[in-house]
Amino acid sequence: DAGITQSPRHKVTETGTPVTLRCHQTENHRYMYWYRQDPGHGLRLIHYSYGVKDTDKGEVSDGYSVSRSKTEDFLLTLESATSSQTSVYFCAISNSGTLSYEQYFGPGTRLTVT
Amino acid sequence: GQQVMQIPQYQHVQEGEDFTTYCNSSTTLSNIQWYKQRPGGHPVFLIQLVKSGEVKKQKRLTFQFGEAKKNSSLHITATQTTDVGTYFCAGHGGTASKLTFGTGTRLQVTL
Repeated sequence: DAGITQSPRHKVTETGTPVTLRCHQTENHRYMYWYRQDPGHGLRLIHYSYGVKDTDKGEVSDGYSVSRSKTEDFLLTLESATSSQTSVYFCAISNSGTLSYEQYFGPGTRLTVT
Repeated sequence: GQQVMQIPQYQHVQEGEDFTTYCNSSTTLSNIQWYKQRPGGHPVFLIQLVKSGEVKKQKRLTFQFGEAKKNSSLHITATQTTDVGTYFCAGHGGTASKLTFGTGTRLQVTL
């Protein structure tokens, strides 16, 4: 497996509180992604990064922000968590040096907002 | 925006039976990838198809990319219990660095 870790792996939080999820890679890959996975929806892209301090929105970015100050770290922040953000969050990386852009996923973070 | 649908959403087979999942995109894709996610796990890359009409095989798995590059299929011959999981297709459309994932097909295999 690619060197990707996510922290925390599980979190329960209350509505209205801020939450930050961390993705850390040791592969020096350029691209990093945050997805959420919900039953019946597959994997939906929240935000992605194509370099340090270079980020862009995905299809479900409302209520989320991201930051990437170092190649190896990509942070996802829920400024004020809502129950609709209860989900499993996956970080992924890919290397623009390859032709295929296949993505390698982290183990996921299960977030519950009560 | 680009949408990628998969059918069926769920299939339950007896071990030894064949299985096929179909993937359809609303737009033409530059390439398509397939991923497998075991229960409780994370998606794992299986393969990528790039050319129109391309067919690739991995042991009992056969992957096909449609002539119009808008659809794809994954066929598993003689399923085994180790095939259990959810299979996702994912397509690259206009932006090569972003993938749009299909809704997934969950495969259950029983003895």
